[in-house]
Amino acid sequence: EIVLTQSPGTLSLSPGERATLSCRASQSVSSSYLTWYQQKPGQAPRLLIYGASSRATGIPDRFSGSGSGTDFTLTISRLEPEDFAVYYCQQYGSSPMYTFGQGTKLEIK
Amino acid sequence: QVQLRESGPGLVKPSETLSLTCAVSGYSITAGYYWGWIRQPPRKGLEWIGSIFHSGSTYFNPSFNGRVTISVDTSKDQYSLKLTSVTAADTAVYYCARHPIVARFEYWGQGIQVTVSS
Repeated sequence: EIVLTQSPGTLSLSPGERATLSCRASQSVSSSYLTWYQQKPGQAPRLLIYGASSRATGIPDRFSGSGSGTDFTLTISRLEPEDFAVYYCQQYGSSPMYTFGQGTKLEIK
Repeated sequence: QVQLRESGPGLVKPSETLSLTCAVSGYSITAGYYWGWIRQPPRKGLEWIGSIFHSGSTYFNPSFNGRVTISVDTSKDQYSLKLTSVTAADTAVYYCARHPIVARFEYWGQGIQVTVSS
């Protein structure tokens, strides 16, 4: 089973700053199968990025994804107040099997 | 617009069976895609439980050790989850979600809190 490790656990930034969130896989993951979600308190996760770098419908272009192999990154170019939330990466593997990272909490500094 | 909504008991006794249903609207289950269940224990991350195709083919997270059954009722555009022999560790918010066979969970229900307690 592929394990996804997200870092940092918590990221404290101010609105307007740039956020860089990391997702590292224990084995190589196809870029096509790497996804990012945003989750706010009391809400279901929201699809942000799929295929490592494709924005989902309605997602602002300040969100971008990159990476390949075992290292993937979610970047938020200029933080808006509504961006403070928990972010999860997720991968699809053979069997099939879906695993999530443990999440990065993006909080207001 | 695709919408999913979970329903079922919010409280289940230890050793009993947790049963939830996901009603789909705005899309026919038979039109394609897979239909999955994901859970989130309190203050923890997300865990995929299993998924079903409209034909009835299923696949599950092996960590549940055969405790999971997922079924589909295409006439009602809904699908169901059964988790047997529950313990306090099964206390979580349970979500249903639509996804292609590979990767991303595109549409999610609002989630339903299930507590396992006597």
